[in-house]
Amino acid sequence: SQTIHQWPATLVQPVGSPLSLECTVEGTSNPNLYWYRQAAGRGLQLLFYSVGIGQISSEVPQNLSASRPQDRQFILSSKKLLLSDSGFYLCAWSGPAYEQYFGPGTRLTVT
Amino acid sequence: GIQVEQSPPDLILQEGANSTLRCNFSDSVNNLQWFHQNPWGQLINLFYIPSGTKQNGRLSATTVATERYSLLYISSSQTTDSGVYFCAAFSGGYNKLIFGAGTRLAVHP
Repeated sequence: SQTIHQWPATLVQPVGSPLSLECTVEGTSNPNLYWYRQAAGRGLQLLFYSVGIGQISSEVPQNLSASRPQDRQFILSSKKLLLSDSGFYLCAWSGPAYEQYFGPGTRLTVT
Repeated sequence: GIQVEQSPPDLILQEGANSTLRCNFSDSVNNLQWFHQNPWGQLINLFYIPSGTKQNGRLSATTVATERYSLLYISSSQTTDSGVYFCAAFSGGYNKLIFGAGTRLAVHP
């Protein structure tokens, strides 16, 4: 069966510091991968999606970037964090059947 | 782009009560999902339901795509049903999910 992992689970970072969040999927090949952010406990916003290695599409202009170095690995990064980057970050995957499945999330607090 | 609206925004129930959550979407969608977000933030897949009716235990869902709405029914609610319920619709290519604002459910014993 398929499994999706995210780490770290929680992170506290100072303003201006770099960021790297990792997401990996097991048990499937060629998944579509997604990064979402949730602020204030409601409403998920799609940040990035990827249909293959090195293929990244951005949904909103922001301080973040994404990369997909391997088929089942998706990384969210920032060179310099802002206070507004705080939130709950969720990675998701989908296969040919289109249904999306979410990871456990990373709670980021920028201080 | 597509808009997804959920109602009610908040719901308080006594254990054992039934409830109906509604999701309206502004345009035709390829597919639709319902999720339950537990207190730890995990999004749990409830239903993948582009049309028709599905049931899973005490939960069931109905999507009427031609009228652009979906309903989630919770029967005999339990305290473990508490959390936020999200409806999300696929829009465009690559299965880009558009989420509603959610319904926050609190079930009291």
